[in-house]
Amino acid sequence: NAGVTQTPKFRVLKTGQSMTLLCAQDMNHEYMYWYRQDPGMGLRLIHYSVGEGTTAKGEVPDGYNVSRLKKQNFLLGLESAAPSQTSVYFCASSRMSYEQYFGPGTRLTVT
Amino acid sequence: AQKITQTQPGMFVQEKEAVTLDCTYDTSDPSYGLFWYKQPSSGEMIFLIYQGSYDQQNATEGRYSLNFQKARKSANLVISASQLGDSAMYFCAMKGDYGQNFVFGPGTRLSVLP
Repeated sequence: NAGVTQTPKFRVLKTGQSMTLLCAQDMNHEYMYWYRQDPGMGLRLIHYSVGEGTTAKGEVPDGYNVSRLKKQNFLLGLESAAPSQTSVYFCASSRMSYEQYFGPGTRLTVT
Repeated sequence: AQKITQTQPGMFVQEKEAVTLDCTYDTSDPSYGLFWYKQPSSGEMIFLIYQGSYDQQNATEGRYSLNFQKARKSANLVISASQLGDSAMYFCAMKGDYGQNFVFGPGTRLSVLP
């Protein structure tokens, strides 16, 4: 039982490049979330999904897109990376209003 | 809109003593949940404790307890008998039962002194 996994763990991008972060969970959770964590600002919600095929915007969605084609996977895409997107990205999953289970995080640097 | 405030950027506590980490919240949802997470220096987020807004008793999980004062909109985390391994960032979060957003506070960095 792996819980929530994230791929990759680290990545360095040049400005303008694109990439996709993959989140996978094996707990059959309906809800999945993408957050970014920046120093002194806690976690900010980027996008979330309440079920397969559905996504919604969070607090800071600009510059990101997401897809949830399978219940267990939630993808976060950066179409044209910017230095402001340098951050640690966390994926999480949960059953409805219960606690979230987090992945280990992806450290992204955009130069 | 929901908001979480944690007014203590950093806290120090002596080993074996108790410490309270403050959390206040704002929401218009009639029903909601409050959560505390721990983030050690290794970076992972660890769920600690949950309090439902209609729960009559304060939640407890081992050395963690949540001092829930609904009228004051506060949900403080109490850690008893602090250990060196408790040194970490602590985040308060909330979620309305009728929405999907989790909202996190900025966190409090706790340092336990030997």
